[in-house]
Amino acid sequence: EAGVTQFPSHSVIEKGQTVTLRCDPISGHDNLYWYRRVMGKEIKFLLHFVKESKQDESGMPNNRFLAERTGGTYSTLKVQPAELEDSGVYFCASSPTSWDSAQYFGPGTRLLVL
Amino acid sequence: AQSVTQLGSHVSVSEGALVLLRCNYSSSVPPYLFWYVQYPNQGLQLLLKYTSAATLVKGINGFEAEFKKSETSFHLTKPSAHMSDAAEYFCAVSDGGGFKTIFGAGTRLFVKA
Repeated sequence: EAGVTQFPSHSVIEKGQTVTLRCDPISGHDNLYWYRRVMGKEIKFLLHFVKESKQDESGMPNNRFLAERTGGTYSTLKVQPAELEDSGVYFCASSPTSWDSAQYFGPGTRLLVL
Repeated sequence: AQSVTQLGSHVSVSEGALVLLRCNYSSSVPPYLFWYVQYPNQGLQLLLKYTSAATLVKGINGFEAEFKKSETSFHLTKPSAHMSDAAEYFCAVSDGGGFKTIFGAGTRLFVKA
C-alpha cells in the first residue's frame, strides 16, 4: 500500500511568487490534514479535510494560503504571494476515520522563500 | 485548549542505555496521546498511541509509554538504545475527534557508540 506522497520535495521561490504544494493521501482515507513546521518550532496544524469539505481551517495563517481537495482525493495548498515567514516544512497527513485519529504522514515539502 | 510540552530539545544516550523522553500534556477532555518519530528526510511515523485503554502502551521498535493522569505525563522509554534510534521524536495530543493534533516541539535523540 502506497503511503502519503507529497510534491515537490523541495521548493525555492522568491518573495511575492506563488507556490502550489500537492498531497496524495493513502487511497481510501477520507481525512486529510496539512501541517507546517517553521525551523526550530513545533509542528502546527493548518487545516483538516473530510473528503472534499474543509472540517477545520483554524490553523491557516492568513488569506494568502488556499487549500483545496477536489473530488476528495488529492489536495493542493497554494501560497500566493509567498512571504519570507512562509518558509518551513509543510507536512500532509491522512487517516481513514475520524475517531481513529492516528495519522499517516508524508515526507513533507521543504519550502524556502528568499 | 490542549498543549504538549517536551522536556529537553536534545537527549544523548550511549548505545545500550535506557532511553527516556519526557512529555507532559494539558487537556480539558480525556486526551488521545501519541508519539511519532521522524528519521532524516522522512515523514513522521507513528510509534505508539494511547486512546483510553491500557495505560502502558507498547509501540514499535521496543518503545513504550505510560499514561499517568495524575502527573499529566506520557513519557517514552526504551530499555536499550540502538544506533538506529537516533531521530527526532514528537509527542502529540488530540481530543479524539479526529481533528487537529497538537505537537510538542520535538526531542532530538542522539545515540553514542
